[in-house]
Amino acid sequence: KNQVEQSPQSLIILEGKNCTLQCNYTVSPFSNLRWYKQDTGRGPVSLTIMTFSENTKSNGRYTATLDADTKQSSLHITASQLSDSASYICVVRAAGNNRKLIWGLGTSLAVNP
Amino acid sequence: DAGITQSPRHKVTETGTPVTLRCHQTENHRYMYWYRQDPGHGLRLIHYSYGVKDTDKGEVSDGYSVSRSKTEDFLLTLESATSSQTSVYFCAISETWTSGEQETQYFGPGTRLLVL
Repeated sequence: KNQVEQSPQSLIILEGKNCTLQCNYTVSPFSNLRWYKQDTGRGPVSLTIMTFSENTKSNGRYTATLDADTKQSSLHITASQLSDSASYICVVRAAGNNRKLIWGLGTSLAVNP
Repeated sequence: DAGITQSPRHKVTETGTPVTLRCHQTENHRYMYWYRQDPGHGLRLIHYSYGVKDTDKGEVSDGYSVSRSKTEDFLLTLESATSSQTSVYFCAISETWTSGEQETQYFGPGTRLLVL
């Protein structure tokens, strides 16, 4: 069964600290993996997209990694800011005729001053 | 929110009444989607459209219908609302369905629907 699991479910860190969010998936065949940021009360916003051949991709203070062999991805946030408080959602696109998106439940991040 | 508006933003209705949610885009993107978001579930696709008058079902389409008469508008209708349809509904758009940046989905601000 195609699944995307994220950990931790929630995380609290102090402003200025770094953190890493995890995403494990069982989607096969694999097309791409995307990280979204969702602020409270708003729609998700895409942060990065990674295909099978990409190991690392950065977007400002956000760096995503992908290990297609172990089917794991991580999102690293550097020097966190209060505005990073949000839910971070991992989404995997299946390949082939059924190009379905499989959404994770997200990690809720709170950055405290 | 990338030129996407949803209306209404909040709605309270009673069981058995019809409800229509509207999504309007100014990006001229071909693909439009309706999702629902509930605690304990990832976003779930209700219906999507790949052009004017071209729509298809998603994974949770029962109890919902859609229409797209213009590129910019995508309507979601709950024919007879039930309490299980209480949710946050998001509209999304994308340029294409193929791989790469063009398939990025841009989301609207959402509609909070409460069915009593």
